[in-house]
Amino acid sequence: DIQMTQSPSSLSASLGDRVTITCRASQSISSSLNWYQEKPGKAPKLLIYAASSLQSGVPSRFSGSGSGTDFTLTISSLQPEDFATYYCQQSSSTPYTFGQGTKLEIK
Amino acid sequence: EVQLVESGGGLIQPGGSLRLSCAASGFTVSNNYISWVRQAPGKGLEWVSVIYSDGSTYYADSVKGRFTISRDNSKNTLYLQMSSLRAEDTAVYYCARGRSDWVYWGQGTLVIVSS
Repeated sequence: DIQMTQSPSSLSASLGDRVTITCRASQSISSSLNWYQEKPGKAPKLLIYAASSLQSGVPSRFSGSGSGTDFTLTISSLQPEDFATYYCQQSSSTPYTFGQGTKLEIK
Repeated sequence: EVQLVESGGGLIQPGGSLRLSCAASGFTVSNNYISWVRQAPGKGLEWVSVIYSDGSTYYADSVKGRFTISRDNSKNTLYLQMSSLRAEDTAVYYCARGRSDWVYWGQGTLVIVSS
């Protein structure tokens, strides 16, 4: 199975900050990497697919990059609604594994 | 409008069985990949199973041999038959449209495995 490791596990930031979350795969997954945002009591929301493609309706302050084994999710200017938990997920092969999550909190 | 509505969750004793349903609207289940993803309380997301449009099925190792994914095309509904349930199967179970990336999700149904 492909293991996905996210860092950091938690992050405190202020409104307007630029934040970056990293995700590393245990083997090359090309660009088969998705990012989700999760808020309490709600289903996850797809933000980025295929490593760098912005899902329709997602604000452009979200961006993704990377290929192979190393990936990043960047939020260019934090807004109040961005405080949530973020997960990376590989879509290269079953089982489709997720990272352990990064909880983004208000500083 | 695409909608997915799960049902069938509840409290079940270890070793028991439960069938979850996922009623779809706004699209045809038989023409799509549909997955189950779960989240244990306070934990991360875990992919459980997927059914392809051609009927092929795949499972996480943690549920293989115990869970069965299926669909009823006439009802446009997806199912997850769960047997030999364990405490570690306690989670919110979501169905989601897609093979390996999921835009549309249901609201989730909670399964609690406890004596």
